[in-house]
Amino acid sequence: AQSVTQLGSHVSVSEGALVLLRCNYSSSVPPYLFWYVQYPNQGLQLLLKYTSAATLVKGINDFEAEFKKSETSFHLTKPSAHMSDAAEYFCAAQGGSEKLVFGKGMKLTVNP
Amino acid sequence: DAGITQSPRHKVTETGTPVTLRCHQTENHRYMYWYRQDPGHGLRLIHYSYGVKDTDKGEVSDGYSVSRSKTEDFLLTLESATSSQTSVYFCAISEGPGIGTEAFFGQGTRLTVV
Repeated sequence: AQSVTQLGSHVSVSEGALVLLRCNYSSSVPPYLFWYVQYPNQGLQLLLKYTSAATLVKGINDFEAEFKKSETSFHLTKPSAHMSDAAEYFCAAQGGSEKLVFGKGMKLTVNP
Repeated sequence: DAGITQSPRHKVTETGTPVTLRCHQTENHRYMYWYRQDPGHGLRLIHYSYGVKDTDKGEVSDGYSVSRSKTEDFLLTLESATSSQTSVYFCAISEGPGIGTEAFFGQGTRLTVV
């Protein structure tokens, strides 16, 4: 069965600093991979997704993620954090006909 | 925004009472999901549906049942609510797995069982 690991639950960065949120998946078959963002008291919104077309995926608000099959990873990055990026971020995976499986989430704090 | 409406948005109920949460979509998507979100657990799948009257269990289905009599509506029922079911519940829809399409989420229902 598919599983997704997001190590840690909270990360704090300074405004303007690099954002790096890690995600590893477990599957013998490269799955479809997603990053979602959740702002306080809201539902989840899609940031970006990987569907095997390109290993470097660009999403909204200058976020991007790179699929690395050898590392079974799909880490999310943003070159320069903005205060409005403060939110919770979820990595998710979906393999073939299987269900969408989420990681436990990572809360991002951006300090001025 | 995808047309997904969850009702109610907030509910407080007593232990032992039945509770039904409704998810309504206007996108005609085949798949509908119910998740619960709890601190430290992320989102966990309760049940999902892949068509009218076609449903299956997720990882935390005990104490919950679902029904889907129409494409647009997916109901989640807590047959006898317990305090451990206090959570935020999210409905999601998608065109279907295996296609790589994303899931679209509703705004959530905050349920408190006292």
